Amino acid sequence: GAGVSQSPSNKVTEKGKDVELRCDPISGHTALYWYRQSLGQGLEFLIYFQGNSAPDKSGLPSDRFSAERTGGSVSTLTIQRTQQEDSAVYLCASSAGAGGSTDTQYFGPGTRLTVL
Amino acid sequence: GENVEQHPSTLSVQEGDSAVIKCTYSDSASNYFPWYKQELGKRPQLIIDIRSNVGEKKDQRIAVTLNKTAKHFSLHITETQPEDSAVYFCAASPYGQNFVFGPGTRLSVLP
Repeated sequence: GAGVSQSPSNKVTEKGKDVELRCDPISGHTALYWYRQSLGQGLEFLIYFQGNSAPDKSGLPSDRFSAERTGGSVSTLTIQRTQQEDSAVYLCASSAGAGGSTDTQYFGPGTRLTVL
Repeated sequence: GENVEQHPSTLSVQEGDSAVIKCTYSDSASNYFPWYKQELGKRPQLIIDIRSNVGEKKDQRIAVTLNKTAKHFSLHITETQPEDSAVYFCAASPYGQNFVFGPGTRLSVLP
């Protein structure tokens, strides 16, 4: 693919429902990152995958958040029992790999999540 | 863990003037420092990056300097244009394993 893609682009849900966000990284990119950006704010790191494993889950805000990556490609971020404070744009990025000149990150367009 | 500070939070300059944004980091293990530009409603776009084995890098009107000893790096934009108006984020990373972003600088270039 030409770049990182994310789906859905927009998601409106009711408080208490579960949501699943999807990220398709650039083909061949082994590293994948999830961030959250609240309106007018900076980028909050959530989780990082190298291949299918997540060496750094330190940014996940609570146990309602989980992420997985299968086949070293597509990743899903799941938020259970959504709360209004979960409303934000969720951005995914990928890079060719960690280290050296391969660590440049490319961002997807984001998923705008609104919890009513 | 890593902590990245960024100043100023907002910056207004006249078209044609220079703009400088500064970031500091805390973790000496960080060795990769990208800068991203984010226009309203769009995704962050990499504009320039620097690695810890160099002190300065330039790409046309944009330059970045790195002082490893002091743990700070700066973005310099010369001959600013209205299309440079955006939010700029710096970040620090140890070998691309995780990225900590600064809070952002909103740059306004006044015509």
